[in-house]
Amino acid sequence: ETGVTQSPTHLIKTRGQQVTLRCSSQSGHNTVSWYQQALGQGPQFIFQYYREEENGRGNFPPRFSGLQFPNYSSELNVNALELDDSALYLCASSLEGNQPQHFGDGTRLSIL
Amino acid sequence: DAKTTQPNSMESNEEEPVHLPCNHSTISGTDYIHWYRQLPSQGPEYVIHGLTSNVNNRMASLAIAEDRKSSTLILHRATLRDAAVYYCILRDLNGQGGSEKLVFGKGTKLTVNP
Repeated sequence: ETGVTQSPTHLIKTRGQQVTLRCSSQSGHNTVSWYQQALGQGPQFIFQYYREEENGRGNFPPRFSGLQFPNYSSELNVNALELDDSALYLCASSLEGNQPQHFGDGTRLSIL
Repeated sequence: DAKTTQPNSMESNEEEPVHLPCNHSTISGTDYIHWYRQLPSQGPEYVIHGLTSNVNNRMASLAIAEDRKSSTLILHRATLRDAAVYYCILRDLNGQGGSEKLVFGKGTKLTVNP
């Protein structure tokens, strides 16, 4: 069983640029959730995609957007990058309901 | 979002049991208690979850108070590989499609001494 994989593992961008992060779900999982983890903090929920539709959003501005594809893989897009966007971005896949979420090891994004 | 309270840090010795407490006094009847842990440089990892009864799996045990206002994650014999941040999270059973989001606090940083 293949786990959740994220790419790239590390990324450096400058303010104002745009970035796309990718996530490959665990086989059979139809739900993908994205989280942002600042240094020393717990992960914060950005949004979730369920069967290719956004299914809940946390307190993040519209410049954070996403997609889920028919194979349930997903992208997180961030426009107009700001210094505070520097963080670890985590993707988690799961089945619906109260099933455990399975996390990738994240993409470390640094904004200069 | 339902809130949990955990100590910032705890320390244990290798091969000794570890009891990680969590208070959730505002828990509702449909909230499951989930535990995740995050090892250094990795994403969070599911450990265990329960509703009312105590639960055991290969990683840990979960002891839930009778009034459900607190719970304890038990690692029976700590190893150096158990050093991680442990998160106690409440998840509503009755999510409407998809997967109920995880609301992380700061968790408990567990240090295991050799």
